[in-house]
Amino acid sequence: DIQMTQSPSSVSASVGDRVTITCRASQGISSWLAWYQQKPGKAPNLLIYAASSLQSGVPSRFSGSGSGTDFTLTISSLQPEDFATYYCQQANNFPLTFGGGTKVEIK
Amino acid sequence: EVQLVESGGGLVQPGGSLRLSCAASGFTFSSYWMTWVRQAPGKGLEWVANIKPDGSEKYYVDSVKGRFTISRDNAKNSLYLQMNSLRAEDTAVYYCADYTTSRGGFDYWGQGTLVTVSS
Repeated sequence: DIQMTQSPSSVSASVGDRVTITCRASQGISSWLAWYQQKPGKAPNLLIYAASSLQSGVPSRFSGSGSGTDFTLTISSLQPEDFATYYCQQANNFPLTFGGGTKVEIK
Repeated sequence: EVQLVESGGGLVQPGGSLRLSCAASGFTFSSYWMTWVRQAPGKGLEWVANIKPDGSEKYYVDSVKGRFTISRDNAKNSLYLQMNSLRAEDTAVYYCADYTTSRGGFDYWGQGTLVTVSS
């Protein structure tokens, strides 16, 4: 099984900050990587697919990059509605696996 | 508008069974892979199972193999998860979602249904 390791597990940031979250796969997954945002009590929301493609309706301050084993999600200018938990997920093969999550908190 | 609505969750004793349902609307259900993802209280997301559009292929996380069965009824636009031999560690919110193979992501999610396994 492919293990997905996210870092950091939590980050404190202020509105307007640039935030970067890293996801590392235990083996190469090409660009089969998605990112989700989840707010408390809500279902996850797809932000990025295929490592760098922005899902329709997602603000352009979100971007994704990487391929192979190392990936990043960047929020260019953090907004109040962006405080949430973020997950990466590999889709290279079954079983599909998620990272452990990164909680973005208000500083 | 795409809608996925789960039902069937509740409190069940260890060793018991439960059947979850997911009613889909607003898209061509029979053309999409479908998925169950779960989230234990205060924990992260865990993929549980996937099923091909025609039901001919099914995949499971190891921890539920032999206990859970994913199925679908395309005529009823419905997805199911039959859960047997339930354990305390199966306690979670269960989400259904569509899975787009060309993107490798879950575009649409239901609101989730809570399954609690406890005596």
